[in-house]
Amino acid sequence: EAQVTQNPRYLITVTGKKLTVTCSQNMNHEYMSWYRQDPGLGLRQIYYSMNVEVTDKGDVPEGYKVSRKEKRNFPLILESPSPNQTSLYFCASSLRENPSLRHRNEQFFGPGTRLTVL
Amino acid sequence: DAKTTQPPSMDCAEGRAANLPCNHSTISGNEYVYWYRQIHSQGPQYIIHGLKNNETNEMASLIITEDRKSSTLILPHATLRDTAVYYCIVRVANSGYALNFGKGTSLLVTP
Repeated sequence: EAQVTQNPRYLITVTGKKLTVTCSQNMNHEYMSWYRQDPGLGLRQIYYSMNVEVTDKGDVPEGYKVSRKEKRNFPLILESPSPNQTSLYFCASSLRENPSLRHRNEQFFGPGTRLTVL
Repeated sequence: DAKTTQPPSMDCAEGRAANLPCNHSTISGNEYVYWYRQIHSQGPQYIIHGLKNNETNEMASLIITEDRKSSTLILPHATLRDTAVYYCIVRVANSGYALNFGKGTSLLVTP
């Protein structure tokens, strides 16, 4: 089944304790990204990757790191989590964009990771 | 990317068509209209997209006005499982892939 998986789905941690949220897709997609969703602020992009070893900042990258060593994986790293990073996180992936081709325009999202930093 | 305006909430009776409007009066010629939905804290789900012609797929229809300043997403026979927040997104293709979700329309389908 084509999907984007995230782990863990739920995590409660304490300030300053490094954590990694994994994201994996089995669709051979070039593009992957991370979003966070907060009440009243909607979904905001954190980082994205156009392909292996190519990453760039989104709208809210502060406090996060990513890596793209393999095409299928795009982990999100919080080196020193703080309470303001408490949020719902989504990973997404897609093929290289081509709007004239219907099947190449869909971004697939993972189920989400709910993170609480105390 | 052009800004979009959607009503914050709408109701629809089960089995009826749900028509969700979106205004994007500042859309430019190379911007597409995309629709996604999010069912209660699940990952957003792609529905449909278009440039200027009306589009239909197995999930919905997208009607774009001739001047492209507004569009309507139509769910022809809404079910309870269509209750979700629907996002209209206008963006240039190949512009970095980021989706600006905005606040969307919360659609409640009632029995």
